[in-house]
Amino acid sequence: DTAVSQTPKYLVTQMGNDKSIKCEQNLGHDTMYWYKQDSKKFLKIMFSYNNKELIINETVPNRFSPKSPDKAHLNLHINSLELGDSAVYFCASSQVGQVWSDEQYFGPGTRLTVT
Amino acid sequence: AQTVTQSQPEMSVQEAETVTLSCTYDTSENNYYLFWYKQPPSRQMILVIRQEAYKQQNATENRFSVNFQKAAKSFSLKISDSQLGDTAMYFCAFMKHVRPVIWGAQKLVFGQGTRLTINP
Repeated sequence: DTAVSQTPKYLVTQMGNDKSIKCEQNLGHDTMYWYKQDSKKFLKIMFSYNNKELIINETVPNRFSPKSPDKAHLNLHINSLELGDSAVYFCASSQVGQVWSDEQYFGPGTRLTVT
Repeated sequence: AQTVTQSQPEMSVQEAETVTLSCTYDTSENNYYLFWYKQPPSRQMILVIRQEAYKQQNATENRFSVNFQKAAKSFSLKISDSQLGDTAMYFCAFMKHVRPVIWGAQKLVFGQGTRLTINP
């Protein structure tokens, strides 16, 4: 049973297209995150949601729009894709408030390649 | 803003040796968490070990231990009896202890990573 899953794992698309990455967690967590890992392996937070409410939005271009239909899902929609969007996108979740709840569980990542 | 620095881009050791990965961080916070994550070639991010800043005792998890020096803002990871399966990118990460609690505000700030290779 995968705790945090992402689809697709690989995504190749052309500049200008719109694409979505889906994330689901079955851990019962209240909080979900999107991180971006660039070509140099640097990881940076993009967004966080708690119970479907946007909490963190880290100076990400407006072309990126997260959507949380329920607390188990956090999708990432990207409009007008650019070459610089090529990266690995990780979804993560955590349950704040419990013992060591601050541990974040990561999904397997989605490698996005924009050509 | 918090920053995390890993000064060793790459390291390589022989199997069964002990290796230490360095991490320093900059923060004005007093309460926070520190983590080491491992990212093998499979790309999965795996939590290796964690440390609460208010705890003076260094965390240990089997072959993995940390040397946490709060005053020096240093958080190194020691891997004993290294194994081929330890080959991976290792990331040091910082998380501010948000109080009062703002649910969802607990973001991880990562270092640049250290690529560790264990040679047979």
